Amino acid sequence: DSGVTQTPKHLITATGQRVTLRCSPRSGDLSVYWYQQSLDQGLQFLIQYYNGEERAKGNILERFSAQQFPDLHSELNLSSLELGDSALYFCASSGDGGGVYEQYFGPGTRLTVT
Amino acid sequence: ELKVEQNPLFLSMQEGKNYTIYCNYSTTSDRLYWYRQDPGKSLESLFVLLSNGAVKQEGRLMASLDTKARLSTLHITAAVHDLSATYFCAVDGDSNYQLIWGAGTKLIIKP
Repeated sequence: DSGVTQTPKHLITATGQRVTLRCSPRSGDLSVYWYQQSLDQGLQFLIQYYNGEERAKGNILERFSAQQFPDLHSELNLSSLELGDSALYFCASSGDGGGVYEQYFGPGTRLTVT
Repeated sequence: ELKVEQNPLFLSMQEGKNYTIYCNYSTTSDRLYWYRQDPGKSLESLFVLLSNGAVKQEGRLMASLDTKARLSTLHITAAVHDLSATYFCAVDGDSNYQLIWGAGTKLIIKP
């Protein structure tokens, strides 16, 4: 158990809908990362937050947005969903300890768009 | 463009054999990370290599880092079926706190 929690575990929704994925980082970690992994694909980095502020952006679509709240939990909002958005969405967290940015991954949310 | 290249991308091998997965990268990072992912599951940190010449071992897996060659290897000794998984390497990006990921090596070990 990495200490990172994600909800929900599974989500099935229809095209055009909007969903929110939630992540709670490990205790004490200030950074949260969001990744998308399509079937048999590698990891696509979406976005990173550090202590409430957006720090880095990857290949995140305009239909997607995220935020990190004062209690450090984060939410990823996906709107106008398309079939191609079906994927595993991972959240990871890391601390600042000594410059090692090892990321700890949550169990993921499996999104199915029908 | 920052790149991390793993090879092979797919490896099928017999139990008891030895093999090596390679991770080449283009950044000037001194740190390299190896992760394991079982099918449909999350990623689990295996090794964090922090400096040139670093070597870490856990059971049948051994990872090493050569920052001058920008190369890391993950060596599997006497493979067993339980090691079947996808293995990812990652390095620090130019910006702080972001990792650049390899495409992953899917390893299948047949009994």
